[in-house]
Amino acid sequence: RKEVEQDPGPFNVPEGATVAFNCTYSNSASQSFFWYRQDCRKEPKLLMSVYSSGNEDGRFTAQLNRASQYISLLIRDSKLSDSATYLCVGGSASKIIFGSGTRLSIRP
Amino acid sequence: ETGVTQSPTHLIKTRGQQVTLRCSSQSGHNTVSWYQQALGQGPQFIFQYYREEENGRGNFPPRFSGLQFPNYSSELNVNALELDDSALYLCASSLVDGTNYGYTFGSGTRLTVV
Repeated sequence: RKEVEQDPGPFNVPEGATVAFNCTYSNSASQSFFWYRQDCRKEPKLLMSVYSSGNEDGRFTAQLNRASQYISLLIRDSKLSDSATYLCVGGSASKIIFGSGTRLSIRP
Repeated sequence: ETGVTQSPTHLIKTRGQQVTLRCSSQSGHNTVSWYQQALGQGPQFIFQYYREEENGRGNFPPRFSGLQFPNYSSELNVNALELDDSALYLCASSLVDGTNYGYTFGSGTRLTVV
Protein backbone atom coordinates (compact mmCIF):
# COMPACT_ATOMS: atom_id res chain seq x y z
CA ARG A 1 0.00 0.00 0.00
CA LYS A 2 1.31 3.46 -0.88
CA GLU A 3 2.01 5.79 2.02
CA VAL A 4 -0.03 8.57 0.43
CA GLU A 5 -2.84 7.71 -1.98
CA GLN A 6 -5.03 9.93 -4.06
CA ASP A 7 -7.43 9.56 -6.96
CA PRO A 8 -5.42 10.17 -10.16
CA GLY A 9 -8.40 11.68 -11.95
CA PRO A 10 -8.54 13.36 -14.34
CA PHE A 11 -11.26 15.66 -13.09
CA ASN A 12 -12.79 17.69 -15.90
CA VAL A 13 -15.17 20.37 -14.62
CA PRO A 14 -16.68 23.61 -15.94
CA GLU A 15 -15.41 26.99 -14.88
CA GLY A 16 -17.10 28.13 -11.68
CA ALA A 17 -17.63 24.62 -10.34
CA THR A 18 -16.58 23.43 -6.91
CA VAL A 19 -14.06 20.60 -6.89
CA ALA A 20 -13.05 18.37 -4.00
CA PHE A 21 -9.97 16.16 -3.76
CA ASN A 22 -9.38 13.56 -1.10
CA CYS A 23 -6.22 11.81 -0.10
CA THR A 24 -5.41 9.12 2.46
CA TYR A 25 -2.17 8.44 4.30
CA SER A 26 -1.08 5.21 5.95
CA ASN A 27 1.51 6.37 8.49
CA SER A 28 -0.33 7.48 11.60
CA ALA A 29 2.88 9.14 12.84
CA SER A 30 2.76 11.68 10.01
CA GLN A 31 2.78 15.21 11.35
CA SER A 32 3.05 17.57 8.40
CA PHE A 33 0.59 17.80 5.55
CA PHE A 34 0.48 19.95 2.46
CA TRP A 35 -1.16 20.41 -0.90
CA TYR A 36 1.12 21.19 -3.81
CA ARG A 37 0.22 22.25 -7.31
CA GLN A 38 2.26 21.16 -10.33
CA ASP A 39 1.85 22.57 -13.79
CA CYS A 40 2.92 20.55 -16.82
CA ARG A 41 6.73 20.16 -16.98
CA LYS A 42 7.20 22.49 -14.02
CA GLU A 43 8.27 21.90 -10.43
CA PRO A 44 5.68 21.45 -7.66
CA LYS A 45 4.73 24.64 -5.84
CA LEU A 46 3.35 24.79 -2.32
CA LEU A 47 -0.35 25.60 -2.41
CA MET A 48 -1.10 25.41 1.30
CA SER A 49 -0.26 23.63 4.51
CA VAL A 50 -3.00 21.54 6.11
CA TYR A 51 -3.87 21.85 9.78
CA SER A 52 -6.18 19.81 12.00
CA SER A 53 -8.37 22.85 12.54
CA GLY A 54 -8.77 23.30 8.79
CA ASN A 55 -7.53 26.30 6.92
CA GLU A 56 -8.72 28.50 4.10
CA ASP A 57 -6.90 30.63 1.58
CA GLY A 58 -9.26 32.48 -0.70
CA ARG A 59 -11.10 29.92 -2.81
CA PHE A 60 -9.10 27.02 -1.36
CA THR A 61 -9.97 25.12 1.81
CA ALA A 62 -7.91 22.28 3.26
CA GLN A 63 -8.96 19.85 5.96
CA LEU A 64 -7.16 17.15 7.91
CA ASN A 65 -8.94 14.26 9.60
CA ARG A 66 -6.40 12.44 11.77
CA ALA A 67 -8.83 9.80 12.98
CA SER A 68 -9.60 8.68 9.43
CA GLN A 69 -6.15 9.61 8.12
CA TYR A 70 -7.34 11.64 5.20
CA ILE A 71 -6.71 15.10 3.82
CA SER A 72 -9.00 17.08 1.58
CA LEU A 73 -8.78 20.09 -0.67
CA LEU A 74 -11.81 22.07 -1.81
CA ILE A 75 -11.61 24.56 -4.66
CA ARG A 76 -14.58 26.89 -5.00
CA ASP A 77 -15.51 28.97 -8.06
CA SER A 78 -12.84 27.22 -10.13
CA LYS A 79 -10.92 29.23 -12.73
CA LEU A 80 -9.28 28.13 -15.97
CA SER A 81 -5.93 28.86 -14.31
CA ASP A 82 -6.64 26.19 -11.67
CA SER A 83 -5.97 23.49 -14.30
CA ALA A 84 -2.98 21.57 -12.98
CA THR A 85 -2.01 18.44 -11.07
CA TYR A 86 -2.65 18.62 -7.34
CA LEU A 87 -0.31 16.65 -5.11
CA CYS A 88 -1.21 15.54 -1.62
CA VAL A 89 1.77 15.44 0.73
CA GLY A 90 2.31 14.00 4.19
CA GLY A 91 5.13 12.97 6.45
CA SER A 92 7.44 13.85 9.28
CA ALA A 93 10.31 16.27 9.75
CA SER A 94 12.69 13.78 8.09
CA LYS A 95 10.57 12.29 5.33
CA ILE A 96 7.88 13.91 3.23
CA ILE A 97 5.94 11.66 0.87
CA PHE A 98 3.99 12.81 -2.17
CA GLY A 99 0.91 11.20 -3.60
CA SER A 100 0.92 10.51 -7.32
CA GLY A 101 -1.26 13.54 -8.00
CA THR A 102 -4.77 14.30 -9.25
CA ARG A 103 -5.12 15.99 -12.61
CA LEU A 104 -7.67 18.78 -12.83
CA SER A 105 -8.87 20.35 -16.06
CA ILE A 106 -11.20 23.33 -15.97
CA ARG A 107 -13.18 23.88 -19.17
CA PRO A 108 -14.69 27.22 -20.27
CA GLU B 1 15.63 35.98 -1.08
CA THR B 2 16.97 33.52 -3.64
CA GLY B 3 15.02 30.37 -4.37
CA VAL B 4 16.29 26.83 -4.96
CA THR B 5 18.54 26.47 -7.96
CA GLN B 6 19.57 23.24 -9.63
CA SER B 7 22.19 22.42 -12.22
CA PRO B 8 22.36 21.26 -14.88
CA THR B 9 18.85 21.63 -16.27
CA HIS B 10 19.21 18.78 -18.73
CA LEU B 11 21.65 15.91 -18.97
CA ILE B 12 22.14 12.88 -21.19
CA LYS B 13 24.20 9.96 -19.87
CA THR B 14 24.99 6.45 -21.02
CA ARG B 15 23.96 3.36 -19.07
CA GLY B 16 26.65 2.45 -16.54
CA GLN B 17 27.97 5.98 -16.17
CA GLN B 18 27.90 8.09 -13.02
CA VAL B 19 26.20 11.45 -12.62
CA THR B 20 26.31 14.30 -10.09
CA LEU B 21 23.43 16.75 -9.78
CA ARG B 22 23.74 19.97 -7.78
CA CYS B 23 21.38 22.07 -5.74
CA SER B 24 21.59 25.38 -3.88
CA SER B 25 19.08 25.75 -1.08
CA GLN B 26 16.83 28.70 -0.49
CA SER B 27 18.32 31.23 1.90
CA GLY B 28 17.38 30.45 5.53
CA HIS B 29 16.60 26.80 4.87
CA ASN B 30 18.52 24.06 6.70
CA THR B 31 17.21 20.89 5.08
CA VAL B 32 17.52 19.52 1.57
CA SER B 33 15.58 16.64 0.05
CA TRP B 34 15.87 14.98 -3.30
CA TYR B 35 13.04 13.49 -5.30
CA GLN B 36 12.81 11.48 -8.53
CA GLN B 37 9.77 12.13 -10.69
CA ALA B 38 8.95 9.88 -13.63
CA LEU B 39 6.50 11.09 -16.25
CA GLY B 40 2.93 10.98 -14.99
CA GLN B 41 3.96 10.09 -11.43
CA GLY B 42 4.30 12.01 -8.21
CA PRO B 43 7.76 12.83 -6.87
CA GLN B 44 9.39 9.82 -5.17
CA PHE B 45 11.40 10.57 -2.05
CA ILE B 46 15.08 9.63 -2.40
CA PHE B 47 16.61 11.07 0.78
CA GLN B 48 16.86 14.10 3.01
CA TYR B 49 19.89 15.86 4.50
CA TYR B 50 19.95 17.91 7.66
CA ARG B 51 23.12 19.36 9.14
CA GLU B 52 25.20 17.59 6.53
CA GLU B 53 23.90 14.13 7.45
CA GLU B 54 21.31 11.92 5.81
CA ASN B 55 18.34 11.81 8.19
CA GLY B 56 15.70 10.13 6.04
CA ARG B 57 15.73 7.81 3.03
CA GLY B 58 13.19 6.36 0.63
CA ASN B 59 13.28 3.05 -1.23
CA PHE B 60 16.27 3.76 -3.42
CA PRO B 61 19.39 1.55 -3.74
CA PRO B 62 22.77 2.59 -2.31
CA ARG B 63 24.01 3.69 -5.72
CA PHE B 64 21.95 6.81 -5.02
CA SER B 65 24.01 8.87 -2.59
CA GLY B 66 24.25 12.46 -1.56
CA LEU B 67 26.05 15.20 0.27
CA GLN B 68 25.06 18.38 2.03
CA PHE B 69 27.64 21.11 2.48
CA PRO B 70 28.02 23.65 5.32
CA ASN B 71 26.29 26.29 3.20
CA TYR B 72 23.32 23.86 2.91
CA SER B 73 23.89 23.22 -0.80
CA SER B 74 23.69 19.60 -1.85
CA GLU B 75 24.67 17.01 -4.40
CA LEU B 76 22.93 13.89 -5.62
CA ASN B 77 25.21 11.20 -7.02
CA VAL B 78 23.97 8.22 -8.97
CA ASN B 79 26.37 5.42 -9.89
CA ALA B 80 25.98 2.68 -12.49
CA LEU B 81 23.14 4.47 -14.26
CA GLU B 82 20.25 2.37 -15.53
CA LEU B 83 17.72 3.21 -18.21
CA ASP B 84 14.99 3.45 -15.55
CA ASP B 85 16.91 6.26 -13.86
CA SER B 86 15.68 8.56 -16.63
CA ALA B 87 13.48 11.07 -14.84
CA LEU B 88 13.18 14.60 -13.51
CA TYR B 89 15.27 14.99 -10.36
CA LEU B 90 13.94 17.60 -8.00
CA CYS B 91 15.75 19.21 -5.12
CA ALA B 92 13.69 20.80 -2.37
CA SER B 93 14.75 22.80 0.64
CA SER B 94 12.90 23.56 3.81
CA LEU B 95 13.26 25.01 7.25
CA VAL B 96 12.82 22.20 9.76
CA ASP B 97 12.90 22.75 13.51
CA GLY B 98 10.96 19.66 14.54
CA THR B 99 8.18 20.85 12.27
CA ASN B 100 8.53 20.87 8.51
CA TYR B 101 7.24 24.13 7.11
CA GLY B 102 6.95 22.87 3.55
CA TYR B 103 9.40 22.47 0.73
CA THR B 104 10.46 24.91 -1.92
CA PHE B 105 11.45 23.11 -5.09
CA GLY B 106 14.02 23.86 -7.70
CA SER B 107 13.00 23.55 -11.34
CA GLY B 108 14.74 20.18 -11.59
CA THR B 109 17.31 18.37 -13.66
CA ARG B 110 15.96 16.24 -16.46
CA LEU B 111 18.19 13.18 -16.77
CA THR B 112 18.04 10.91 -19.79
CA VAL B 113 19.94 7.62 -19.69
CA VAL B 114 20.52 6.00 -23.07
